[in-house]
Formats: sequence, C-alpha cells, structure tokens
Amino acid sequence: TAGITQAPTSQILAAGRSMTLRCTQDMRHNAMYWYRQDLGLGLRLIHYSNTAGTTGKGEVPDGYSVSRANTDDFPLTLASAVPSQTSVYFCASSPEGSGNTIYFGEGSWLTVV
Amino acid sequence: GDSVTQMEGPVTLSEEAFLTINCTYTATGYPSLFWYVQYPGEGLQLLLKATKADDKGSNKGFEATYRKETTSFHLEKGSVQVSDSAVYFCALSDPQDSNSGYALNFGKGTSLLVTP
Repeated sequence: TAGITQAPTSQILAAGRSMTLRCTQDMRHNAMYWYRQDLGLGLRLIHYSNTAGTTGKGEVPDGYSVSRANTDDFPLTLASAVPSQTSVYFCASSPEGSGNTIYFGEGSWLTVV
Repeated sequence: GDSVTQMEGPVTLSEEAFLTINCTYTATGYPSLFWYVQYPGEGLQLLLKATKADDKGSNKGFEATYRKETTSFHLEKGSVQVSDSAVYFCALSDPQDSNSGYALNFGKGTSLLVTP
C-alpha cells in the first residue's frame, strides 16, 4: 500500500526561488499536516488541514502556504525560499479525532543555497 | 500551551541492556500519548500509544505507561538489539485541540545507539 507519497525526495533550491512540495495520500484521511524536522528542534507543525477546503497555521507557518483542494492532496509551497528553510519536510495524515494515529511520509530533504 | 519534554541524547547502550527514555508532558486536558520511532533516512513510524490514564502501550518489546499523576510516558525495553538504533520521539495529541486537527506536539527526540 502506498500510504503517503511525497515528492521530490530531495532538492537543492536557490534562495529566492519558489518551490512546491507535493503530498498525496490514498487512505482517505480527513486530516493532513506538514511538519519540518530540524536537528535539536524535533518536529514542528507548519500547516494543517482538518478536511478538504480548510487549512490552518501551525507553530512555524511564516514563508509557507498550503492548499487542500481535495481529500488526497496537500501541497506545501515556499514562495521565496531562504536558507533557514533548509530542512526535512514531512507530510502526514490521520483519520480525524484525538488519539488517532498520524501516519507520515518518507520526507522531502530541501537545501536552500 | 501543551509541551513534551524528553531526555537528551544520544543514548548509547550495549546489546541486551535495559532501556529507559524519559518523557514528561504538560497539557491542559487529558491528552493521548505516543511514541514514534525514526530509523535512519526514513519517516516516522508509530511505535506505541496510550489514550487514557494507566493505559499501557506495547509493541516490539517496548512498553510505556500513561501516568497522569506524574504526567509521564516513559519508554522502556528490557533487552535492546542493534536493530533498535534509531531516534525516538514522544508526542501528545490534545483532545481539546480540534482546531489543529489534533496535530501531534513532539518532543525533540532521543537518539539511541545500540552496540554489539
């Protein structure tokens, strides 16, 4: 089973350029999330979506935007990349409700130079 | 706000040693508690979870008990293997946080290295 598919797996991006990280899930989960992982900081929530058509800001939303046009897809866009956005980005999804397991993709490694 | 604190790593153990990774939390309500594991170069996988006080989660020889009185969810394993080398994350989901889709709030992670 595919679960959550992220693309690209890795990317080197010039500062100032824009980029979209793609995320698709095949589990029909209502909730989806984007986290970034940085050494010594753990995982921090960037944006989330409770259901198709709705999105919200997490702990570190600045410089990022998301959309949720349908249940399966939740792309993350960096409008004008900066070096501090160098990180590993994880997309995740969950059936809605507290206590439900959140499932993670394999991650997208982004380096902004 | 909610937060999770877990012991700093790295933790280095010999094979067959006993493992404890401490995790404590702060939350306004009664959160669900999770341990996730991340193997090198991979995403996070659920290791175990507990959704109410005194529940014990267990999987692959790992255990953790939800202790409301000490706000803790310590991870233990009686005999670690080299294949357990990974980064372990404690996390919580607050049932009062429906506005964020019950997103997980993570600790900073504890790196475990098990040597033969």
